[in-house]
Amino acid sequence: DTAVSQTPKYLVTQMGNDKSIKCEQNLGHDTMYWYKQDSKKFLKIMFSYNNKELIINETVPNRFSPKSPDKAHLNLHINSLELGDSAVYFCASRITPEGNEQYFGPGTRLTVT
Amino acid sequence: QKEVEQDPGPLSVPEGAIVSLNCTYSNSAFQYFMWYRQYSRKGPELLMYTYSSGNKEDGRFTAQVDKSSKYISLFIRDSQPSDSATYLCAMRSGSEKLVFGKGTKLTVNP
Repeated sequence: DTAVSQTPKYLVTQMGNDKSIKCEQNLGHDTMYWYKQDSKKFLKIMFSYNNKELIINETVPNRFSPKSPDKAHLNLHINSLELGDSAVYFCASRITPEGNEQYFGPGTRLTVT
Repeated sequence: QKEVEQDPGPLSVPEGAIVSLNCTYSNSAFQYFMWYRQYSRKGPELLMYTYSSGNKEDGRFTAQVDKSSKYISLFIRDSQPSDSATYLCAMRSGSEKLVFGKGTKLTVNP
């Protein structure tokens, strides 16, 4: 069973479109994250939710809006996509914000043309 | 100065070599130190975790933390082609966010 799953795995879309990426974890963790990994492999946190509440919101354009319908799911909606949004987006979860192990999903490779 | 510095490499070694990967950091509040391994087109997976200073060994992998120098290392003994991946250091203080290094790409040649 996959611990942290993301859909879709690949997403190719045009500038100006709106798209969503979904994430689910079956580990029973309280805390979930969205990360962006650019072409140089730099992994940067975007958002963190603990028990459906936003606890970390890095300097991310407000075109990005996370939504956590329950603690097992954290979705990412992106409005008015731009070329610079092309990256791999990783969802991750941790048992609590203080927990040691953080598990990553397989990533969603977003290409904006 | 970036919070976490890591030489991106690439690093290429022959099979069986001892590999040393390193990160330096500037935030003295960091207490939890991790190494993640990321295979191509996959998500990062936790390899080693260390709290505060000291060494930790797990099979062929040894993680070292020197808080006085703000320096962490990962050693891989008897490296295998299957160790070829990007290795990312990561660290945090308390329940704060994980801060990642840029990753070092390692290739182990058979």
